[in-house]
Amino acid sequence: DQQVKQNSPSLSVQEGRISILNCDYTNSMFDYFLWYKKYPAEGPTFLISISSIKDKNEDGRFTVFLNKSAKHLSLHIVPSQPGDSAVYFCAASLKTSYDKVIFGPGTSLSVIP
Amino acid sequence: DTAVSQTPKYLVTQMGNDKSIKCEQNLGHDTMYWYKQDSKKFLKIMFSYNNKELIINETVPNRFSPKSPDKAHLNLHINSLELGDSAVYFCASSPDHRNTIYFGEGSWLTVV
Repeated sequence: DQQVKQNSPSLSVQEGRISILNCDYTNSMFDYFLWYKKYPAEGPTFLISISSIKDKNEDGRFTVFLNKSAKHLSLHIVPSQPGDSAVYFCAASLKTSYDKVIFGPGTSLSVIP
Repeated sequence: DTAVSQTPKYLVTQMGNDKSIKCEQNLGHDTMYWYKQDSKKFLKIMFSYNNKELIINETVPNRFSPKSPDKAHLNLHINSLELGDSAVYFCASSPDHRNTIYFGEGSWLTVV
């Protein structure tokens, strides 16, 4: 049972435009959400996170939005750069299983110069 | 200086063999993990150790056994390897559950 879903396996965006990566979750107990970025042949690296008490968190070109009622979060990258081309994983953690972070299947972003 | 390092990066081995993947973190974190990324690219947690104690043990075959000699090391031993064990295995660490998880570069295991 997939608790964290990223329904778009891939996304292509023109350089300079906005990239929007979406993530849906099923478990309302999740209280902390993270985005990771992964280049080929490397491990995932942390990008940005958001607590369930907030609905927006911004870090430079990256903004994460959380809609708890819809159990949906999104990552906005603006402006997109070719170096942003990578796989982006959405992840969530449970209040009752504090050591377990559940990852989505990832969305492969290609930023076209 | 690599924060989470794991070896080997690539491993090709025959079915039935026993192999180990080593992991070390120099971040001073209390919690270490093993994740598996399967052919469908899902990243799933296998084990979590906190200060050398097993915290999470997902439904992983008992052919997989983690060993934590100290809180900076978490090795993964796999006995009687099967074709389905082929995957990328990521070691990771974190100071606590709220903070970010720092991943190693992954170990590509291919069982032939």
